[in-house]
Amino acid sequence: DTAVSQTPKYLVTQMGNDKSIKCEQNLGHDTMYWYKQDSKKFLKIMFSYNNKELIINETVPNRFSPKSPDKAHLNLHINSLELGDSAVYFCASSHPHSSGRETQYFGPGTRLLVL
Amino acid sequence: AQSVSQHNHHVILSEAASLELGCNYSYGGTVNLFWYVQYPGQHLQLLLKYFSGDPLVKGIKGFEAEFIKSKFSFNLRKPSVQWSDTAEYFCAVNARGGYNKLIFGAGTRLAVHP
Repeated sequence: DTAVSQTPKYLVTQMGNDKSIKCEQNLGHDTMYWYKQDSKKFLKIMFSYNNKELIINETVPNRFSPKSPDKAHLNLHINSLELGDSAVYFCASSHPHSSGRETQYFGPGTRLLVL
Repeated sequence: AQSVSQHNHHVILSEAASLELGCNYSYGGTVNLFWYVQYPGQHLQLLLKYFSGDPLVKGIKGFEAEFIKSKFSFNLRKPSVQWSDTAEYFCAVNARGGYNKLIFGAGTRLAVHP
């Protein structure tokens, strides 16, 4: 049983295109996250949603727009892709965030390459 | 702003050697501390976490970490590594009440040779 799944696993696209990455969790969690891992393996949070409400929005270009149709899904749409967007994008989920003690469960990652 | 430093970017050990990976954080308030591991080709998974109480916490696969508040450190240890411990190790911190926003260190790549 896959806990946190992401599609696609790999995404190769041209500069200027628009693409989406999907994330689904079957853990019954209320909170979901998107992280970006750059070429040096540095992981940085981008967004977090709690029960479909945006609660963390880091300084991410507004070309990136998360969408949460329901609490089990958090998709990431990227407009006008740039070379610097090439990275691995990880989705994660956890129980509600209130104490900060909740373990985040990560998906397998989506490797995005912008040419 | 919070930050996390992992001093060793690349560690190479032989099997059965002891391991200690350093992690220091910068934050004036109360924090929760985590170590995550990423095996080759796999997703991140939790090794262990510390919230309060006994500063020595034990995790999966024989790993442990010690929280030293005065040093703002949370070092990861394992007395005897195995080849299967080859992976990338990430230290992370979040502030209490901070929406579970994890701040990660840059990671330490561990290679264990048979």
